[in-house]
This record gives sequence, structure tokens and C-alpha cells, in this order.
Amino acid sequence: AQKITQTQPGMFVQEKEAVTLDCTYDTSDQSYGLFWYKQPSSGEMIFLIYQGSYDEQNATEGRYSLNFQKARKSANLVISASQLGDSAMYFCAMREDPNFGNEKLTFGTGTRLTIIP
Amino acid sequence: NAGVTQTPKFQVLKTGQSMTLQCAQDMNHNSMYWYRQDPGMGLRLIYYSASEGTTDKGEVPNGYNVSRLNKREFSLRLESAAPSQTSVYFCASSEQGTDTQYFGPGTRLTVL
Repeated sequence: AQKITQTQPGMFVQEKEAVTLDCTYDTSDQSYGLFWYKQPSSGEMIFLIYQGSYDEQNATEGRYSLNFQKARKSANLVISASQLGDSAMYFCAMREDPNFGNEKLTFGTGTRLTIIP
Repeated sequence: NAGVTQTPKFQVLKTGQSMTLQCAQDMNHNSMYWYRQDPGMGLRLIYYSASEGTTDKGEVPNGYNVSRLNKREFSLRLESAAPSQTSVYFCASSEQGTDTQYFGPGTRLTVL
């Protein structure tokens, strides 16, 4: 079974609208972390936001927020007031196994977001 | 502050050739990672290193070897390249006990 599932291969959104990118995950660990990364056409991976499994509040970073629903095992990324520069691939990722030094990530297949002027 | 650097940026190899991808970080991180990114498959972990002198296999280690030369540098070697290893390779680093990994710009490798 997929550990990280991103069901939207591509999305088109009008500039200035809010957008939600879906991510569901599968783990039996009690302690885990969820991440979102942005990959623009230039190719680099840019860290956006992190949510720990024990965090009670949803994470926010500027225009990015993570809608964390633990019981549903979902960690959707919400981008408010989208901008043309938000056009990119977005990857959801999970860190399981909190052993010291073992912070390796499992990634989803990504969602390509295109912002329309 | 360069962060994570990777060389080369692009490489074309013939089947059977060998090469080493270099990665260095200047953030004094203990943990370093090598991922590959294939179309439609996201990033998959090849090898990681929790500290200098230690390395462990990830999800797709076959056909690769790694060396953690020192705290700063973590290299990935393809001994006998195969077309299936055509991919974009990313190096990343993180501080132990934190959750954010910082990625290099990637190396685009084509094996003919």
C-alpha cells in the first residue's frame, strides 16, 4: 500500500484564489512527521511546512497552512491567495520511525499546480 | 551560505561506465541522504548517513554505493551504470532531532 497518496496529478487555479492540495498517509507509528515541499520548474526542492503527529494546532507558514486531520490520516496543504509564482510541483512527505538519526522521508507522487492569470 | 551543493549538474554516461556524484553541505548537519526522482514516482531514498562513518540502505539501494567522507561530504557512486539509473538525483541533509531536510539542486543523469 502507498504510504503517501496524492490523488490530484494536476490542478489549475485562478490567481488570488485559495487552493487545497490533498495528501493522505498510512502509518502505524504514533510519532511521525508530515511535510510539504515545492519543486518549481528549476528543479530544486523547497521546504514549505511541517506538522508533527502530536501537534494539536495546524501548522501555518505565511500563506501556507496544513489542514491536519489525524483520524482521517490526511494532511492537506492550503495555499491562500495564490500567486503566479506558486505554479510548481508539490510533494507531500512523511517521516516515520523517530529513531535518532533516522529522519528519512517517504514522498508522494506529487501534484502539479498551475496558477492561471 | 551555500547550503547543499551537488556536482555535476548534468551527466551523460554510456551503459557500463562508472561515476561518482558529489554532495557537500555547510550547515554542520549530521544526517545526509541520497534520493532519486523518476517521472510519476516522487522521490525515493537510495542511501542515508546518520553520522560520519555510518551509512544505511534506503528503499532503492541496488546498483549504488555511498561514502560519507567526512561530516560535510556524502558521495554516491554508480559502479556500472544502467539505463534504469537515468534519473534526477538529489542530496539532502538535516540536523539530527529536527525534521527539516534541505535539498541540493539535483544532478540530472542520463545513461544511454
